[in-house]
Amino acid sequence: EDQVTQSPEALRLQEGESSSLNCSYTVSGLRGLFWYRQDPGKGPEFLFTLYSAGEEKEKERLKATLTKKESFLHITAPKPEDSATYLCAVPARSYDKVIFGPGTSLSVIP
Amino acid sequence: EAQVTQNPRYLITVTGKKLTVTCSQNMNHEYMSWYRQDPGLGLRQIYYSMNVEVTDKGDVPEGYKVSRKEKRNFPLILESPSPNQTSLYFCASGAGAEYEQYFGPGTRLTVT
Repeated sequence: EDQVTQSPEALRLQEGESSSLNCSYTVSGLRGLFWYRQDPGKGPEFLFTLYSAGEEKEKERLKATLTKKESFLHITAPKPEDSATYLCAVPARSYDKVIFGPGTSLSVIP
Repeated sequence: EAQVTQNPRYLITVTGKKLTVTCSQNMNHEYMSWYRQDPGLGLRQIYYSMNVEVTDKGDVPEGYKVSRKEKRNFPLILESPSPNQTSLYFCASGAGAEYEQYFGPGTRLTVT
């Protein structure tokens, strides 16, 4: 069964304390992996797409990487405004539906 | 401005009273989708549409209907809402399932 899991469920960091979020997937024949940021009560906002193992994408303090079984979202020297829920998603193996992971809730404390 | 719009943003209704949540996008996207988001359950796809007149079930389609008569619009219909459909609903659009999606602002539905 196609599945996406994320860890940790919640992460609390001090401002400037770098860390990584994990997204693991069991979809074979990956057709893309997406990272989104979601602020409370708002729609998810697209961050990155990764298509191939070894691929990396960067944006400000965020860097996303992809292996054959998982993706990492690295946050370098986070700021309080990086506090949000981070979601990853993949297209299902043989259908055009999209499966989201449960998300990691990140809190960055000043 | 490229965007996905949803209406209404908030809705309180009673069990059994049919309702429609509208969704429109101005990006000429082929793919549109509806999700519901519940605490502890994350974002779950209800229905998606790969193109006009082509729709398919997501993971939680029971109790919902959709139609895609025009490329830009993808309404979500609850013919007989029940309290377990109380949720935060998001519409999204993109070039396809293998591309990023752009989300609307959400519709918070309460069914009493």
